[in-house]
Amino acid sequence: RKEVEQDPGPFNVPEGATVAFNCTYSNSASQSFFWYRQDCRKEPKLLMSVYSSGNEDGRFTAQLNRASQYISLLIRDSKLSDSATYLCVVIDFYNQGGKLIFGQGTELSVKP
Amino acid sequence: GAVVSQHPSRVICKSGTSVKIECRSLDFQATTMFWYRQFPKKSLMLMATSNEGSKATYEQGVEKDKFLINHASLTLSTLTVTSAHPEDSSFYICSASGAGVREDTDTQYFGPGTRLTVL
Repeated sequence: RKEVEQDPGPFNVPEGATVAFNCTYSNSASQSFFWYRQDCRKEPKLLMSVYSSGNEDGRFTAQLNRASQYISLLIRDSKLSDSATYLCVVIDFYNQGGKLIFGQGTELSVKP
Repeated sequence: GAVVSQHPSRVICKSGTSVKIECRSLDFQATTMFWYRQFPKKSLMLMATSNEGSKATYEQGVEKDKFLINHASLTLSTLTVTSAHPEDSSFYICSASGAGVREDTDTQYFGPGTRLTVL
């Protein structure tokens, strides 16, 4: 089983749509969780951290469910510029030295 | 702040040659640098972690004699792919974390990546 698994995608949605990505992780000792965005042939860029209380940044909402070891990202009112691959990232500082464990990514394509 | 650069951005080489990739933290001291590899449509896979002044820690399955990592200063780490073969063709990305940035010292900042093609 992969340490971090994401929806396989790709997701093709029209502008203005709401889209949700799911991610599960296998290491229950993980402490930190993030969503990164990666554009084609570019490096990943931090989109937002994920907390148990949930956090929102504009059109983006991230949620963490520790009991289910599940992370989600919701994008409302999709824009063309949201087209990218979204990477779920998990860190276990105590047991894995703080290295980022990446999911395989979910590709989003927003169409006009 | 917290800018990481990589050089070169793209390299094409013949099979059997060695290629050196540089990763620099431009405005902070990178006590730890990470090297990742990403194949098309696949996730980033950590290759090794290097702390300034000490030997790199390699992930399982990564050959340390093939992927030489040097982290001699707080702003520079290099990855040398020795005797490169076509199967080494990939997107190599470094990241750095350390002191002197706005966020906490554990946040990793990524370089723009180096696309290696071995003919």
